[in-house]
Amino acid sequence: EAGVVQSPRYKIIEKKQPVAFWCNPISGHNTLYWYLQNLGQGPELLIRYENEEAVDDSQLPKDRFSAERLKGVDSTLKIQPAELGDSAVYLCASSLGRALTDTQYFGPGTRLTVL
Amino acid sequence: DQQVKQNSPSLSVQEGRISILNCDYTNSMFDYFLWYKKYPAEGPTFLISISSIKDKNEDGRFTVFLNKSAKHLSLHIVPSQPGDSAVYFCAATPVVAGSYQLTFGKGTKLSVIP
Repeated sequence: EAGVVQSPRYKIIEKKQPVAFWCNPISGHNTLYWYLQNLGQGPELLIRYENEEAVDDSQLPKDRFSAERLKGVDSTLKIQPAELGDSAVYLCASSLGRALTDTQYFGPGTRLTVL
Repeated sequence: DQQVKQNSPSLSVQEGRISILNCDYTNSMFDYFLWYKKYPAEGPTFLISISSIKDKNEDGRFTVFLNKSAKHLSLHIVPSQPGDSAVYFCAATPVVAGSYQLTFGKGTKLSVIP
């Protein structure tokens, strides 16, 4: 079974440029998460989707970050414009549902460097 | 304010010995706890979990202990193997239906020396 796929794996951009990350969750997984992981820190939730609906986006900086999950499958996370402090790893995860025992499976992440 | 704390950034253990990774939390609403393992250039992988109604959960070489009164949990790996070398994250969530949100610690890098 294929795991969570993310692309690109690495991205280097200059500040003020836009950037987008793509995530393909495990087939059949209804819940999708985007996390931010800064160097030396644990992952922090940015947004959670139940199918197409963003049910928890309280940690998403909405002035520059946006996300969508059209058709309840793939998702994209966008930053516009990027700032130096956005350099981090962006992780996507998916789970079968939103039950406590539904394990979250993580993708390998996209490492973003903003120059 | 860190609600989940892993105070040891790194730990080195000899192969075959026990590895003990510690985690403390401050939020008394946390009722479910998880450990994730992360290899370089990969995403975290779920390892083991424990509900607050238990004080121990075992899965093969991995055992998680929970001391709710001390707000402390630990992961024991016995015996440790070189393949266990990774960063281990402790995570916690309140158990409120529909509101599960994992809060992660900063991680502990375990090195198992052959």
